[in-house]
Amino acid sequence: KAGVTQTPRYLIKTRGQQVTLSCSPISGHRSVSWYQQTPGQGLQFLFEYFSETQRNKGNFPGRFSGRQFSNSRSEMNVSTLELGDSALYLCASSFVGGSTDTQYFGPGTRLTVL
Amino acid sequence: ILNVEQSPQSLHVQEGDSTNFTCSFPSSNFYALHWYRWETAKSPEALFVMTLNGDEKKKGRISATLNTKEGYSYLYIKGSQPEDSATYLCAFHNQGGKLIFGQGTELSVKP
Repeated sequence: KAGVTQTPRYLIKTRGQQVTLSCSPISGHRSVSWYQQTPGQGLQFLFEYFSETQRNKGNFPGRFSGRQFSNSRSEMNVSTLELGDSALYLCASSFVGGSTDTQYFGPGTRLTVL
Repeated sequence: ILNVEQSPQSLHVQEGDSTNFTCSFPSSNFYALHWYRWETAKSPEALFVMTLNGDEKKKGRISATLNTKEGYSYLYIKGSQPEDSATYLCAFHNQGGKLIFGQGTELSVKP
């Protein structure tokens, strides 16, 4: 069974640009969550999508957005990039995103903003 | 604001030592507590999902306990091996539906 895949794995952008990251969940999983990991911070929850609908959202500015397609693949977009957006972005998939559902993480996308 | 605290932040032990670390979380609106292991250059890997007060889970040399009334969980590793070196994360799942992660405990096991 293929795991969660994320593309691209590495990305370098400049301030003010926008970026789109992609996540393909494990086959059969309908919930996709996104997290940001920065030095000194734990994994910070960005948002969760289930059946093409955003079900939960973390405390991030509106520059961070996402969507989910009918095949459960998800994208997240960051507009007007800031230096502080440099981070590892992880996505995780699970069957339905319930509290006892195990989340399976992808390898992450390392974003560097110059 | 929900806070999930893990201690210690880092731990250096010798091969064969047994270790334990703590995860503290809000005791209200508890749904589940997750433990993950995150090795360098890999993805976080699920270890346990715990839901009931008094729950104990075991996977090989790793075990975990849960106390939802006082809001803590312990993770134990018996006879640590160098391959156990990783960051161990706990995450609290509350009624709001979000998974709130702690900062992690970084374990280093020297041969």
